[in-house]
Amino acid sequence: AQKVTQAQTEISVVEKEDVTLDCVYETRDTTYYLFWYKQPPSGELVFLIRRNSFDEQNEISGRYSWNFQKSTSSFNFTITASQVVDSAVYFCALTLTDDKIIFGKGTRLHILP
Amino acid sequence: GAGVSQSPSNKVTEKGKDVELRCDPISGHTALYWYRQSLGQGLEFLIYFQGNSAPDKSGLPSDRFSAERTGGSVSTLTIQRTQQEDSAVYLCASSPQAGETQYFGPGTRLLVL
Repeated sequence: AQKVTQAQTEISVVEKEDVTLDCVYETRDTTYYLFWYKQPPSGELVFLIRRNSFDEQNEISGRYSWNFQKSTSSFNFTITASQVVDSAVYFCALTLTDDKIIFGKGTRLHILP
Repeated sequence: GAGVSQSPSNKVTEKGKDVELRCDPISGHTALYWYRQSLGQGLEFLIYFQGNSAPDKSGLPSDRFSAERTGGSVSTLTIQRTQQEDSAVYLCASSPQAGETQYFGPGTRLLVL
């Protein structure tokens, strides 16, 4: 069975600090995809990144970066120099090649001015 | 192009009534997914369609829930004899093919009184 664990339920940091959101996944399949979604207060889920299981290269997009490590089954997400607009609930998710997405329970991030 | 749209955006109904929720996926997307998000909770998978068929109905909470998709496009989620515990935001997503990145609609907020 597949599972995604986001151990941090809620995090608060002061603006401009860096923050890392943890994600640990479980699957026996060798082919899978990992995602991060952002859900701002407006409620709509916004796609951030998709990574396949064969690509362990870290990725950076502006202030966002992702660290994928198969050895620890983790796909962590770091926001550098956080801003108030980054406040949202962030979901990590896992899917196999033809199946539903399994979401973690989300991490609520508060960026304090 | 247009994203995933859902209607209605909000629905208030009385316990015992039937409701229909509609989802218009992104044009050309063959896979369509329904999720439920209860207040403060993560996302719960309900059902997904590949074309007009639903290979995975495992997430439907009870036989009061059903869904269909016609013409490989619009989908409706029907809840019969609604109960108060059905109150939630119902999210629809579509992807070009199953397993690819899912793009979410704004959701339908259902309140059962």
